[in-house]
Amino acid sequence: GQQVMQIPQYQHVQEGEDFTTYCNSSTTLSNIQWYKQRPGGHPVFLIQLVKSGEVKKQKRLTFQFGEAKKNSSLHITATQTTDVGTYFCAGRSNTGKLIFGQGTTLQVKP
Amino acid sequence: KAGVTQTPRYLIKTRGQQVTLSCSPISGHRSVSWYQQTPGQGLQFLFEYFSETQRNKGNFPGRFSGRQFSNSRSEMNVSTLELGDSALYLCASSGSQGGTEAFFGQGTRLTVV
Repeated sequence: GQQVMQIPQYQHVQEGEDFTTYCNSSTTLSNIQWYKQRPGGHPVFLIQLVKSGEVKKQKRLTFQFGEAKKNSSLHITATQTTDVGTYFCAGRSNTGKLIFGQGTTLQVKP
Repeated sequence: KAGVTQTPRYLIKTRGQQVTLSCSPISGHRSVSWYQQTPGQGLQFLFEYFSETQRNKGNFPGRFSGRQFSNSRSEMNVSTLELGDSALYLCASSGSQGGTEAFFGQGTRLTVV
């Protein structure tokens, strides 16, 4: 079946360092979404990418969608303690199913 | 606008029992999806309902079932509970099938003992 793989599973950084998480799908996606889940919370939508090669920015967060629409990345510049949480990518297949990656848990040391 | 409401928030059941979880989507949303979240496994897709019809299904055994009512509220049922069914069950609603963002509820934490 369709799979969305996400790496790394965990990342510990010092506050101020950059962070990147990568997402790869076994099939072409119609779009990809990114969510953040704070400890003890539920996933919250961050952004959706639709076009091949699309790049979107939200303050210190940069999201990219690959040219083949099979991979994506989230890059955080100069991490802060408020960035702590688990970041999930979620690919929308052509059947409409939203498949989540395993998530990357980010820990930031002050 | 009220968010997605899941009840109950916490549940403890014994192996072999069955359980029903409830999800009320955001008003006006017709698509409801269910996910199982366990440590290290991320969010595993269970099924998606749209206008009372199951549109997509994940790779879970038949013990897991669901339904959606005419008011878009959804229920998920797990029969013959196993220890491995212990997880956080999340419900998400969106405005349309295959639409944009999914709005998640707080989840139901199920513990099977």
